Amino acid sequence: AQTVTQSQPEMSVQEAETVTLSCTYDTSESDYYLFWYKQPPSRQMILVIRQEAYKQQNATENRFSVNFQKAAKSFSLKISDSQLGDAAMYFCACAMLGTSGTYKYIFGTGTRLKVLA
Amino acid sequence: DSGVTQTPKHLITATGQRVTLRCSPRSGDLSVYWYQQSLDQGLQFLIHYYNGEERAKGNILERFSAQQFPDLHSELNLSSLELGDSALYFCASSPERVGGELFFGEGSRLTVL
Repeated sequence: AQTVTQSQPEMSVQEAETVTLSCTYDTSESDYYLFWYKQPPSRQMILVIRQEAYKQQNATENRFSVNFQKAAKSFSLKISDSQLGDAAMYFCACAMLGTSGTYKYIFGTGTRLKVLA
Repeated sequence: DSGVTQTPKHLITATGQRVTLRCSPRSGDLSVYWYQQSLDQGLQFLIHYYNGEERAKGNILERFSAQQFPDLHSELNLSSLELGDSALYFCASSPERVGGELFFGEGSRLTVL
């Protein structure tokens, strides 16, 4: 079964500190893509970062970076210099080509991040 | 602004009623995905359309149906509504390019009283 697991329902971080959100996935596909989405209180789903499975180099977007461990099927998100605006629900997702010839996107259950002033 | 438009943004209705949620994908995107998010829950995949054809079904109730029209906009029909159908319904579109992400609309908040 193809699954995405986020084992931390809730995390807290002090403003300006660093926090890491965990995500593991399970797929038998060799070609897939990984994403982290942020859902702030406005409920809008916003792409934070994406990673191609065939790339060994970890993706980075400003204060956001990932630690992609392909063999362990792990895809964690590190947020550096946390800001109050980072408080949100974070969803890990995996996209893989389905039998229909189009992509299938599987989401984790989310991690709620609280940023403490 | 993701370029995906969903209407209505908010909808309040009674049990037993029927509603239609509408989604216009980003220009050029052929794929439309529908997701349901109940309060403080994750995203439940409902259904996926590609260029007018149904490509995948998730946990979609028989009371729910969807379609994608020739102009690529999509509608999600929810009938015989129950209290438990209250949720945020997201539409997302994708260009279906290799590794492309989903672009989400702002969602339609459905409240069933």
